[in-house]
Amino acid sequence: AQSVTQLDSQVPVFEEAPVELRCNYSSSVSVYLFWYVQYPNQGLQLLLKYLSGSTLVESINGFEAEFNKSQTSFHLRKPSVHISDTAEYFCAVSRMNRDDKIIFGKGTRLHILP
Amino acid sequence: EAGVVQSPRYKIIEKKQPVAFWCNPISGHNTLYWYRQNLGQGPELLIRYENEEAVDDSQLPKDRFSAERLKGVDSTLKIQPAELGDSAVYLCASSSLNSPLHFGNGTRLTVT
Repeated sequence: AQSVTQLDSQVPVFEEAPVELRCNYSSSVSVYLFWYVQYPNQGLQLLLKYLSGSTLVESINGFEAEFNKSQTSFHLRKPSVHISDTAEYFCAVSRMNRDDKIIFGKGTRLHILP
Repeated sequence: EAGVVQSPRYKIIEKKQPVAFWCNPISGHNTLYWYRQNLGQGPELLIRYENEEAVDDSQLPKDRFSAERLKGVDSTLKIQPAELGDSAVYLCASSSLNSPLHFGNGTRLTVT
């Protein structure tokens, strides 16, 4: 079975500072990896995904994540955060090549400080 | 394209009462999911449909929860009777072979 661990439940960071949200996964088979974002009072939106190919994936709003198979990690980074990035971020995993359920981590709440 | 539509947006009921949630997935998405998200937690899968067939309902508490997806499009999730511990946000999502999971805005259930 797959599992996802997000070690940080909350991450405070000053505006325009860099941020990293950590995600580690566990699986005995190859996986797809995702980051979803949930803005206040909204549903989850896909931020970025790793399916295959380049281990570094980027979103349209400046976030990036790197798949590290040896460390079983998929950390999310942004070099300079904006107040609008305030949200909860969920890392998720599913089995590769299977139309399968996606398993979510517990989420990390990103607080942007002025 | 229109997104996943859920209703109602909020629901407050007394314990032991029944409640139902409705979901309209994105057109053409064969796979439909119901997730439950407790406060401070990530979403947890309750049931997954492929067209009208429930292919994974292992996490659905079948003594009080039921779901259906007639004609393989809209879906309803029902709780009868509701308990205090059922208070959560119920999320519907849909996907297709070449499309990732798209979520609705959810129904926030409060059981008093």
